[in-house]
Amino acid sequence: DAGVTQSPTHLIKTRGQQVTLRCSPKSGHDTVSWYQQALGQGPQFIFQYYEEEERQRGNFPDRFSGHQFPNYSSELNVNALLLGDSALYLCASGRTGTSGTIGELFFGEGSRLTVL
Amino acid sequence: AQKITQTQPGMFVQEKEAVTLDCTYDTSDPSYGLFWYKQPSSGEMIFLIYQGSYDQQNATEGRYSLNFQKARKSANLVISASQLGDSAMYFCAMRERDSNYQLIWGAGTKLIIKP
Repeated sequence: DAGVTQSPTHLIKTRGQQVTLRCSPKSGHDTVSWYQQALGQGPQFIFQYYEEEERQRGNFPDRFSGHQFPNYSSELNVNALLLGDSALYLCASGRTGTSGTIGELFFGEGSRLTVL
Repeated sequence: AQKITQTQPGMFVQEKEAVTLDCTYDTSDPSYGLFWYKQPSSGEMIFLIYQGSYDQQNATEGRYSLNFQKARKSANLVISASQLGDSAMYFCAMRERDSNYQLIWGAGTKLIIKP
């Protein structure tokens, strides 16, 4: 049973460019959330997708956008990259229960983005 | 105000000793969950243990246990009989009922196990 998979694992971009990161959730999971983890810090919540809609969003500008596909996989897009966007981007998946709550979250190994 | 505080940036512990990693939290939501994750150098966040705010007993998972003191708003992780493979970053995180989808994270503690 494959866990959460993310691609690419590493990438280098220059300021002003755009990047797309991809995430496939764990089998049976329907919810995907994205986190940004700057070096030496804890992760920060970007947004969460369920049923192909953004359900909640953290304190991130509109340059950060996402999408969830019918197969529950997800993309994170960042436009007009800044040096400060350099970070590890983590994807987490979970299963939504009948009450609407989400159980345990499983994380991928992340995509490490470097902006030069 | 910080919602999750981990006051130990780094710790060195001798192999086979027990170690306690501190975590305090701040919330007004009566329903919340507390998590501990391990992050090795590979980057993946590995779930260790979970404690719900209404759970009567402290959570345990193998060598991991959570010392939950609700009145003090602390949720310390205890690792018994530490192993070299326990060397990693450890993060405490909280999920509030009203923010069902997001985890709020502490800054982490870097744990190094010495042989």
